[in-house]
Amino acid sequence: EAGVAQSPRYKIIEKRQSVAFWCNPISGHATLYWYQQILGQGPKLLIQFQNNGVVDDSQLPKDRFSAERLKGVDSTLKIQPAKLEDSAVYLCASSFDWTGSNSPLHFGNGTRLTVT
Amino acid sequence: TQLLEQSPQFLSIQEGENLTVYCNSSSVFSSLQWYRQEPGEGPVLLVTVVTGGEVKKLKRLTFQFGDARKDSSLHITAAQPGDTGLYLCAGEGSYKLIFGSGTRLLVRP
Repeated sequence: EAGVAQSPRYKIIEKRQSVAFWCNPISGHATLYWYQQILGQGPKLLIQFQNNGVVDDSQLPKDRFSAERLKGVDSTLKIQPAKLEDSAVYLCASSFDWTGSNSPLHFGNGTRLTVT
Repeated sequence: TQLLEQSPQFLSIQEGENLTVYCNSSSVFSSLQWYRQEPGEGPVLLVTVVTGGEVKKLKRLTFQFGDARKDSSLHITAAQPGDTGLYLCAGEGSYKLIFGSGTRLLVRP
């Protein structure tokens, strides 16, 4: 099966600019996740979708970050305006359903964002 | 807030040595997963442990879930350069997966 696709792989922007990331999950996967991974740290969950509804966005900085999953398939994550501390790898993951141990996460290769 | 702490943060060993990585929390988790991440790639699931006290083996890797389901360990026997990477534990709770801070392992030939 095809894996989780993310684009772009790399992005360099100046602070206060905006940026968008795209994710196409594995076909048939109902749950989609966006994680932020700062260098040297573990991934931090930003937002979790079940089909096209938001399950958890408690750690999403909503004043500057937004995400949508129209039609319950692919998803975009946007940052506007970007800050220096947003420099990180943004990982998208999907799972068949949220049944925890019975539905493992499959990750894309991420988008590395550098804000200068 | 559920937190997972991993130790050590960084480990550099010689090929053939054994090592153990720890994952600790004050919270109880429904299950605990271990992932390995290589540079430029996303994490890849190694194993899931569900029952307190459970031990799972994956070739030279042994995973154990604590009796109280608050901690876990990963033991690698006779490490090889191919084991180099970032090892992440992740605890499942409240329909979310919380990741630890990671242990970066370097196995020198």
